[in-house]
Amino acid sequence: DTAVSQTPKYLVTQMGNDKSIKCEQNLGHDTMYWYKQDSKKFLKIMFSYNNKELIINETVPNRFSPKSPDKAHLNLHINSLELGDSAVYFCASSQVASGSGEQYFGPGTRLTVT
Amino acid sequence: AQSVTQPDIHITVSEGASLELRCNYSYGATPYLFWYVQSPGQGLQLLLKYFSGDTLVQGIKGFEAEFKRSQSSFNLRKPSVHWSDAAEYFCAVGHGSGNTGKLIFGQGTTLQVKP
Repeated sequence: DTAVSQTPKYLVTQMGNDKSIKCEQNLGHDTMYWYKQDSKKFLKIMFSYNNKELIINETVPNRFSPKSPDKAHLNLHINSLELGDSAVYFCASSQVASGSGEQYFGPGTRLTVT
Repeated sequence: AQSVTQPDIHITVSEGASLELRCNYSYGATPYLFWYVQSPGQGLQLLLKYFSGDTLVQGIKGFEAEFKRSQSSFNLRKPSVHWSDAAEYFCAVGHGSGNTGKLIFGQGTTLQVKP
């Protein structure tokens, strides 16, 4: 069974469109995250939710809006897509919202904006 | 501010040779340190972690890492590399306060293994 899953795996879309990426974890974890990996493979955290409450909101354009309907799901909606949004987006989860918590990553969603 | 530096962007080793990947961190308190591996087209998998105690930690796939506070380093080692170890390796530091779980990653090191 997949621990952290993301859909879709690939997403190709045009500038100006709105798209969503979905994430689900079956580990029973309380905390979920969204990371962005750019073309140079640099990973940076975007958002984190703990028990459906937003606890990390890095400097991310407000075109990006996370939503956590329950502890097992964290979705990312992106409005008015731009070329610079092209990246791989990773979802992750951890049992607790602590720097010591091991994070489990999903397989990633490769977003290409044309 | 916390930061992680991986000085080597790309490393090539021969299969069977030993490996050391460098990681330096900047953090005010005792850090939580991690090494993750990313195989092509895959997500990240935890290799090992250091929180406290013994400064030499063992991980999966035959990897180990040594925490050296005096050098602010957490280098990853493997005595004999296998072709399947070719991947991207990331060192990360966990934010210890604020109960956020935030991880700060280094730039990554690409490992290529020659037959």
